[in-house]
Amino acid sequence: DAGVIQSPRHEVTEMGQEVTLRCKPISGHDYLFWYRQTMMRGLELLIYFNNNVPIDDSGMPEDRFSAKMPNASFSTLKIQPSEPRDSAVYFCASSIKFGTQYFGPGTRLLVL
Amino acid sequence: QKEVEQNSGPLSVPEGAIASLNCTYSDRGSQSFFWYRQYSGKSPELIMSIYSNGDKEDGRFTAQLNKASQYVSLLIRDSQPSDSATYLCAVTANNNDMRFGAGTRLTVKP
Repeated sequence: DAGVIQSPRHEVTEMGQEVTLRCKPISGHDYLFWYRQTMMRGLELLIYFNNNVPIDDSGMPEDRFSAKMPNASFSTLKIQPSEPRDSAVYFCASSIKFGTQYFGPGTRLLVL
Repeated sequence: QKEVEQNSGPLSVPEGAIASLNCTYSDRGSQSFFWYRQYSGKSPELIMSIYSNGDKEDGRFTAQLNKASQYVSLLIRDSQPSDSATYLCAVTANNNDMRFGAGTRLTVKP
């Protein structure tokens, strides 16, 4: 079975531009998580969904960040407008209930 | 106080030795505990999970949990150079979201 799929794998953009990250969870998983990882702050939970419904978005840094999950097989994380401090690796993970989380390969975002 | 704390390392051990990684957590209601391994430039992958006090062994890996002391550890026996990675401790608290420690970087020297 395919694991968690993320796209793009790398994104370079200029400050002020909109960035959209995409994630396809493992089929049958009912939880989806978005994380951000930086050297300074480590791995941070941004938001998670259960059955497509956002449950906890307290980790979303500010209003420039938004996430959606229109169906069980697709989620997006959008940053608008992007800033250099948003540069990080963004991971999507999925799980069945609160079991093991399986991570996607990540999207490396660089905002110039 | 951070919710999940780990020594950042780096921890260096010779090949064949036992590597001991430690983690403490602040929420006494925490229910589930995980160790993830992350190679440089890769995503975290689960290596162990533990839910009750005591030891859990899986091959060369042993996870130890002590809820009274709010402490979880990972022992790697017969360490190999391929074990060189960052090890992330993760804890699922009462609010059901998973919090990660900053990770301990392990280097196994041949």
